Amino acid sequence: DAKTTQPTSMDCAEGRAANLPCNHSTISGNEYVYWYRQIHSQGPQYIIHGLKNNETNEMASLIITEDRKSSTLILPHATLRDTAVYYCIVRVYGGSQGNLIFGKGTKLSVKP
Amino acid sequence: DADVTQTPRNRITKTGKRIMLECSQTKGHDRMYWYRQDPGLGLRLIYYSFDVKDINKGEISDGYSVSRQAQAKFSLSLESAIPNQTALYFCATSDYGTSYEQYFGPGTRLTVT
Repeated sequence: DAKTTQPTSMDCAEGRAANLPCNHSTISGNEYVYWYRQIHSQGPQYIIHGLKNNETNEMASLIITEDRKSSTLILPHATLRDTAVYYCIVRVYGGSQGNLIFGKGTKLSVKP
Repeated sequence: DADVTQTPRNRITKTGKRIMLECSQTKGHDRMYWYRQDPGLGLRLIYYSFDVKDINKGEISDGYSVSRQAQAKFSLSLESAIPNQTALYFCATSDYGTSYEQYFGPGTRLTVT
């Protein structure tokens, strides 16, 4: 599976958009990009996933570059409750292996 | 009510004791997972089950066993607890064909003294 690289930490002002980058330069054609977040010591929460088209749901938007080597998760109007560690994970969709591989992620701090 | 529940939420036990952590889900998912998380580290998979008759080891299964009693229930046992099994344990579920869209329980904080 492709390795992902994320910044260790980021700050964002409350009410502004939070843009979280992820590099996955070795991604292969059948691998999807998944995003999760973990609010302090709670269970991780699925946010969104995509293959090559941009995706949007009620939580966030996912922008994947045309070459698919990087992506950005966008929280359009960050609130204090969005403070969490955000994980970018690359996996083959519907793969037979069960595990999500969580790296260190990006610690997002939303400040008033 | 929560879709994925875990009991107990906190547990302190002594070295050598047997302990069971339980997970129940109301999402109707076939697939269930047990992960552990150590401070400052990511989650690591212990066991997973794709249906009632299917049990698979994850990357750190030594010292653990599981039981899938029903589609909705998946239990994790520590046969003889040791201090380095002190961790936060999470159960997760997913639907068939969408294994990586997983839904997690609130976690069980286990301390082995």
